[in-house]
This record gives sequence, C-alpha cells and structure tokens, in this order.
Amino acid sequence: GAGVSQTPSNKVTEKGKYVELRCDPISGHTALYWYRQSLGQGPEFLIYFQGTGAADDSGLPNDRFFAVRPEGSVSTLKIQRTERGDSAVYLCASSPVAGVVDTQYFGPGTRLTVL
Amino acid sequence: QKEVEQDPGPLSVPEGAIVSLNCTYSNSAFQYFMWYRQYSRKGPELLMYTYSSGNKEDGRFTAQVDKSSKYISLFIRDSQPSDSATYLCAMRNQAGTALIFGKGTTLSVSS
Repeated sequence: GAGVSQTPSNKVTEKGKYVELRCDPISGHTALYWYRQSLGQGPEFLIYFQGTGAADDSGLPNDRFFAVRPEGSVSTLKIQRTERGDSAVYLCASSPVAGVVDTQYFGPGTRLTVL
Repeated sequence: QKEVEQDPGPLSVPEGAIVSLNCTYSNSAFQYFMWYRQYSRKGPELLMYTYSSGNKEDGRFTAQVDKSSKYISLFIRDSQPSDSATYLCAMRNQAGTALIFGKGTTLSVSS
C-alpha cells in the first residue's frame, strides 16, 4: 500500500512569510508525528497526534509553529513569520497505534528553505 | 550533554567488512532502542528495535543493548555498497510519544 506522503517536497520562501506543510499518513494509522531534521543532525521531535488531538506538542520550538489534524488523517504543519533558522527537512511519520513498540513509518520529508 | 550521542563519522569501509556503529545515552529510563537507516533525500526506515538489554539478530544485522553502560551498537556483517546510508540510533521517550534520535553516522561501503 501507499506510504506516508508529504507535500510539497521542496518549499522555498522568504523570511517573514507563512508556510504550510502537508502530511498524508498511511491509511488507518491513528498516530501521527512531526519531526524536524537540520543538516547533519538526527530528526528532532515536534508534535504527536493521537487521532485529532495533539497528545504531545512539547517539541514545538515556539508559538510560530502550529499543527492541526482536524479529521484524524491528514495533518498540516503551519509556520508563521518564517526565519532563516527554520530551514530544515520536516519529516512526518505515522504508526498504527500509539505504544512503546509500534513502528513509525516516515515520509520523504519537505525540504524548507527560508531565504 | 545531549540525551543521545552518536559519532557522525563518516565511516568508509570496503565491501565485505564488518561495521560497528554505536550510540551512548544518558537517561537510564529508556527501554526501547531502535536503529533507522536513512538514504539521501529519503525518510528514515526502521532496521532493528530492541527492548531492554540483550542482542537481536536479523540477517546481516545485529543490535546490542548494554543498559548498564548506556551503550547500544549495530553490527553489519558482510557489508554491501547498498548499505551506504546514514544510520540513526533512536530511543523512545518515557511517555511513549516520541523518538529521540542520535545525529546519525554516515557509512560508505566501497566495492
């Protein structure tokens, strides 16, 4: 079946602009995660959704970052007033259920460049 | 000190070599340990996961966890050029809501 898909694959924007990044999880997966991967670093956790609600948003760096998952499937990560330091690959992952041994399936990421 | 430390390499080996990749961590409460492989411009994919201490083998891959030393390893036997990738260690946080990753080690296997 289809894996996790993310759109766009690349996004170039200017400092101060607003961007939206979309994630389509694997069908039927209830848990969804966003991570951010800077160059030369491992992914860093941003937010975790169980169904429609954000069960853990402790990784969001500040209030310019916000994510939604209104129908418990597709999720959108929103970044306001983008800064050059926001440039990174934003990864989305989904898993069938939330639990300690579930497998997270990652999408290919959206490469965000803030000029 | 970061919660998970991993030498970024790069590591270059000839085809057929045995590769050893390692991570250390600081939180003794971590129980689930994973290795992910990430090819260039792709998302990470799960290779191995281990619960608590011990060894786990899957084909050419062996994962080891030593909780007393807070040290985990991934061994790759008979390495192949197709193994060339970045290998990320990861641990599930105590709440079970996120993975905490190392920086990743870039491996290159030459034919």
